[in-house]
Amino acid sequence: AQSVAQPEDQVNVAEGNPLTVKCTYSVSGNPYLFWYVQYPNRGLQFLLKYITGDNLVKGSYGFEAEFNKSQTSFHLKKPSALVSDSALYFCAVRDPPTGGFKTIFGAGTRLFVKA
Amino acid sequence: NAGVTQTPKFRVLKTGQSMTLLCAQDMNHEYMYWYRQDPGMGLRLIHYSVGEGTTAKGEVPDGYNVSRLKKQNFLLGLESAAPSQTSVYFCASSRFSSGTLIPLMEQAFFGQGTRLTVV
Repeated sequence: AQSVAQPEDQVNVAEGNPLTVKCTYSVSGNPYLFWYVQYPNRGLQFLLKYITGDNLVKGSYGFEAEFNKSQTSFHLKKPSALVSDSALYFCAVRDPPTGGFKTIFGAGTRLFVKA
Repeated sequence: NAGVTQTPKFRVLKTGQSMTLLCAQDMNHEYMYWYRQDPGMGLRLIHYSVGEGTTAKGEVPDGYNVSRLKKQNFLLGLESAAPSQTSVYFCASSRFSSGTLIPLMEQAFFGQGTRLTVV
């Protein structure tokens, strides 16, 4: 069965420092991987996705993620964190073609960026 | 403004009471979803709909019913609320791939959420 894990409940980083939010996955085939961000009192917003191609994908707000097939990871990264990046981040995975509506979301990682 | 609107935003229910959560989208999306979000757990799919008049069970459907009488609206009902249904509920809508019919979750829009407490 497909699954996704976000091993850190919370990540703290100082403004201007690089940030990494970790995600590992388990699927039977080639995965579709997503990152979403949730700001307080808002719904989830799509950040970026990996389906195929270059292992480093770039997304919104300066975020990027690196797909590593051998480590089954899809870590979210940003070279220089902003206080406004503080939010809840969700990794998600879908295993096509049978995955269909079964997009599995991780438990989320709360990112705190201190000024 | 285009998007997904959920009502109400907050609600407190007593055990055994019923209620309906309304989700409305104005983007002409075929697919709509209801998720619940609980601490330490990711979003879990309750029910979904691939079009007007059609609904299907997701991962955690027990205790919930849904209806999609109009394309733009997706209602989530709790017939007899239980404390275990205390959660934040999110509605979402999306387009789908015309070839595979797989939902395009990268283009999904999520509502602001409904915080439900059952006492």
